[in-house]
Amino acid sequence: DIQMTQSPSSVSASVGDTVTFSCRASQEITTYLAWYQQKPGKAPKLLIHSTSTLVSGVPSRFSGGGSGTHFTLTITSLQPEDLATYFCQQATTFPVTFGQGTRLDIK
Amino acid sequence: QVQLQESGPGLVKPSETLSLICSVSGVSMSHGTHYWGWIRQTPGKGLEWIASGDKGGSTYYNPSLKSRVTMSVDTSRNELSLILNSATAADTAIYYCSRQLEDWGQGTLVTVSA
Repeated sequence: DIQMTQSPSSVSASVGDTVTFSCRASQEITTYLAWYQQKPGKAPKLLIHSTSTLVSGVPSRFSGGGSGTHFTLTITSLQPEDLATYFCQQATTFPVTFGQGTRLDIK
Repeated sequence: QVQLQESGPGLVKPSETLSLICSVSGVSMSHGTHYWGWIRQTPGKGLEWIASGDKGGSTYYNPSLKSRVTMSVDTSRNELSLILNSATAADTAIYYCSRQLEDWGQGTLVTVSA
């Protein structure tokens, strides 16, 4: 199985800040790396797929990048509604695996 | 817009069978080439992919659960199902159904307890 490791486990930032989350894979991801946002009590919501493709309707302040085994999710101009936990996920090979998540708190 | 809704018993006894249904609306499961699937979430293990499958019967299972899990897609009812045998407390989780891991249901909490 491909292990997905996210860092940091939590981060606190202020409205207007820029934050970057890291996701490292135990093997090279060649095709599908996605990012999800999960707000408390809700299902995960797909934000980005294929490393950097923004899902329709997702604000452009969200962006994804990386390659190989290291990937990032960046949020610029943080908004209060961005309070959530963010997960990375690979579907290059079965089984599909998720990172353990990074919790974002807004100061 | 596709909508998914999970349903099933919220409480299952240890060693019994956990059965869930996901009702799909807004899209016909008999059309297109979508993959449908199940994912569960626990505080301890996080998000765990269980299975994915299509209308043609091609199904992929997480090896860690494969011996106990069956997933099926019923295009006539526009729903997918999940059966997990020999449930234990470790199967207590929120279970989500999904279309292509893009659209998710709201999730249903299943507790395995006597």
